[in-house]
Amino acid sequence: QKEVEQNSGPLSVPEGAIASLNCTYSDRVSQSFFWYRQYSGKSPELIMSIYSNGDKEDGRFTAQLNKASQYVSLLIRDSQPSDSATYLCAVNKVDYKLSFGAGTTVTVRA
Amino acid sequence: DTGVSQDPRHKITKRGQNVTFRCDPISEHNRLYWYRQTLGQGPEFLTYFQNEAQLEKSRLLSDRFSAERPKGSFSTLEIQRTEQGDSAMYLCASSPKTGGDASTDTQYFGPGTRLTVL
Repeated sequence: QKEVEQNSGPLSVPEGAIASLNCTYSDRVSQSFFWYRQYSGKSPELIMSIYSNGDKEDGRFTAQLNKASQYVSLLIRDSQPSDSATYLCAVNKVDYKLSFGAGTTVTVRA
Repeated sequence: DTGVSQDPRHKITKRGQNVTFRCDPISEHNRLYWYRQTLGQGPEFLTYFQNEAQLEKSRLLSDRFSAERPKGSFSTLEIQRTEQGDSAMYLCASSPKTGGDASTDTQYFGPGTRLTVL
């Protein structure tokens, strides 16, 4: 079982719609959860971090964490063409190294 | 705050050659991490430093790989006798990590060094 799994893509959404990304993790001691955005050929860019159960909103992005279900998600509202990228879910355990999922590629079509 | 910087951005080498990459973390960040990313995969952890001490190395880091952070500031990653399987993006990240505040775990990535081994 992989430590971090993301829903397989690619995910295609029309401009203005909501993109929903899901991630599950296997290690219950995980403490910190992150979503990174990665454009093709570029490095990961942090867009959201979440540490406690519930929702966290930042602009058009909302992260949701459910530690009991070992599940974290990212919603992108009012999707724009500039949101077209690969989104990486990352989980930080007590030893502080990040474990990443393989990523979900999102394409926002105009 | 100039962010994490990495040098070079691209490196093409022939199999069997040695290569060295440099990473400059965000100023005053005491943790520095190295990851490797291949096409279609998420980054994989290689090693990390707390100041100048190397605290953990992944089993992915064979004997041909060595990393240093001699003064607790910049870090170098050297690959000896490169193989075609070493072709990847090598990413460096840093975090402030000061005490028990989980938010200081947040890692910020540099632009990466793309290595191609011919």
